[in-house]
Amino acid sequence: DVKVTQSSRYLVKRTGEKVFLECVQDMDHENMFWYRQDPGLGLRLIYFSYDVKMKEKGDIPEGYSVSREKKERFSLILESASTNQTSMYLCASSSRDSKLRETQYFGPGTRLLVL
Amino acid sequence: AQSVTQLDSQVPVFEEAPVELRCNYSSSVSVYLFWYVQYPNQGLQLLLKYLSGSTLVKGINGFEAEFNKSQTSFHLRKPSVHISDTAEYFCAVSATSYDKVIFGPGTSLSVIP
Repeated sequence: DVKVTQSSRYLVKRTGEKVFLECVQDMDHENMFWYRQDPGLGLRLIYFSYDVKMKEKGDIPEGYSVSREKKERFSLILESASTNQTSMYLCASSSRDSKLRETQYFGPGTRLLVL
Repeated sequence: AQSVTQLDSQVPVFEEAPVELRCNYSSSVSVYLFWYVQYPNQGLQLLLKYLSGSTLVKGINGFEAEFNKSQTSFHLRKPSVHISDTAEYFCAVSATSYDKVIFGPGTSLSVIP
């Protein structure tokens, strides 16, 4: 079974703090994604990565950065957390294999509260 | 660019009744279509997907969906729901040549005993 793990289920941070969200997948997937999920808005793509050290902006990258130093790990960084970044953050991965690429596998999510 | 519409934000239904969750998409290119389910306090998991071939797709837990190209729809159905089906359901679309997936806003299914 594919497993995607996220470092924390719940986080509480203060405005202005630097926040790191870690995601690890164990299926040797090339693609990794970070989404935020808000009620009524569904999932919105923040950043994604096709390979190590590669990153692409998604639909809402402002206020975020990412790092992918190893294939299995994709980190989301909030340089200076703000209250409007309070949300559920979901990490996902997918394969570039032609038979598997269409399915994304999700972690359990990190619920971040910024005070 | 692709987009997804889920017209119903909340769908309450009695246990053992049938349910249909509606999804419409827009795209100028060929697409793949997906339904994902999110149970409370969990991440998303794939319910079913349409890539090509038969327009009627069967998924896990007794769900099925039908791709209708002329109506640009991919509605999800189950003939008899169970309490355990209470969850958030997301329709999603991806252009066949890209890896990005666009998600709809979600439909919250509540099964009433």
